[in-house]
Amino acid sequence: NAGVTQTPKFRILKIGQSMTLQCTQDMNHNYMYWYRQDPGMGLKLIYYSVGAGITDKGEVPNGYNVSRSTTEDFPLRLELAAPSQTSVYFCASSRPPGSNQPQHFGDGTRLSIL
Amino acid sequence: GDSVTQMEGPVTLSEEAFLTINCTYTATGYPSLFWYVQYPGEGLQLLLKATKADDKGSNKGFEATYRKETTSFHLEKGSVQVSDSAVYFCALSDPGGSYIPTFGRGTSLIVHP
Repeated sequence: NAGVTQTPKFRILKIGQSMTLQCTQDMNHNYMYWYRQDPGMGLKLIYYSVGAGITDKGEVPNGYNVSRSTTEDFPLRLELAAPSQTSVYFCASSRPPGSNQPQHFGDGTRLSIL
Repeated sequence: GDSVTQMEGPVTLSEEAFLTINCTYTATGYPSLFWYVQYPGEGLQLLLKATKADDKGSNKGFEATYRKETTSFHLEKGSVQVSDSAVYFCALSDPGGSYIPTFGRGTSLIVHP
């Protein structure tokens, strides 16, 4: 049982480049989330999804896009990488809030923009 | 809206010391409460949870009791080990609120031998 899988684990980008961070889960969770974590800081929500075809902005969506074509996958797209996007990115999934179940997190993607 | 406040770190302890990390919350409904742990270089993982008032969650020697009257969910451990060094996050999930779980800022714990 893999849980939440993120790829790649590490990436270095040049300013202005684009990339997609992949996230897939095998727990049939409807809810999925993208967070960023800056050094020594907590989590900031970028985007979330409550089911296939439905996405919404979180706290810090600027510079990012997402899609949710299947229950399993929730990729995060950076179109024009900027140094301020250097961070660790975590994908998470869960059952609905009323289920009393926790979020499941991936191991993160460590992204540096130079 | 919902919010979680946890004590600022870092918390620095010697091995075998008693640990308390404070967490208080505000919520519109009847939330479930969670403690997550993040070891260096890893993602967050569930440490323990409690789903209703007076429930006690426990795991790996850590405990936390859901106190509705004080809106608190403090994390405790009687004797910490060096391997407990990590960042601890308090969080809530409120079925009467938004779809989005609410996290505290995290508290770094450093345990010295």
